[in-house]
Amino acid sequence: GAVVSQHPSRVICKSGTSVKIECRSLDFQATTMFWYRQFPKQSLMLMATSNEGSKATYEQGVEKDKFLINHASLTLSTLTVTSAHPEDSSFYICSARAHRSYEQYFGPGTRLTVT
Amino acid sequence: GESVGLHLPTLSVQEGDNSIINCAYSNSASDYFIWYKQESGKGPQFIIDIRSNMDKRQGQRVTVLLNKTVKHLSLQIAATQPGDSAVYFCAETGSDKLIFGTGTRLQVFP
Repeated sequence: GAVVSQHPSRVICKSGTSVKIECRSLDFQATTMFWYRQFPKQSLMLMATSNEGSKATYEQGVEKDKFLINHASLTLSTLTVTSAHPEDSSFYICSARAHRSYEQYFGPGTRLTVT
Repeated sequence: GESVGLHLPTLSVQEGDNSIINCAYSNSASDYFIWYKQESGKGPQFIIDIRSNMDKRQGQRVTVLLNKTVKHLSLQIAATQPGDSAVYFCAETGSDKLIFGTGTRLQVFP
């Protein structure tokens, strides 16, 4: 089946610094990628949708200047958490979808801890 | 009973028994539904899906039932095994976006 990877799997950073998380589709071309955030014991909340070559569409309440998303190729999307604060600590999960497909394939997630 | 926020509903079953996990979805326009399994520290794993023109779909040891009248989805796992222990999420979509339910933790005890 389709494989999506994320890097890094876990990262610890100091408050005020920026962190970049990569999401790659390994064996298919992902025209659309999604970024989710999941707090402990809660569900996945969609942050933004990105289409290759276009600006990302952010969900209500998600700061686009804080969570920068780039989807420059059909196999790579990046999420940069700028000026991270402890409340940004969470599990960030990406998913990827091929053209004209309903199905989303999820990455393994990235655990971000901001100290 | 159920609660939201910091407490996931939990279903405890004995190994070998059947499990039924329920989900109420929100949008009557949704036409595609998916069940995911999420183990601790990992991303969601696809289990089974169903489209709105069906009311039942079976996979290996799993069955999904869809009742559009009451906007209810269920996942049945036959002969539950310790490896089935995880959090299960239903998700619905009628557009680009998946909307996830709150999740149910399945605990399997010997």
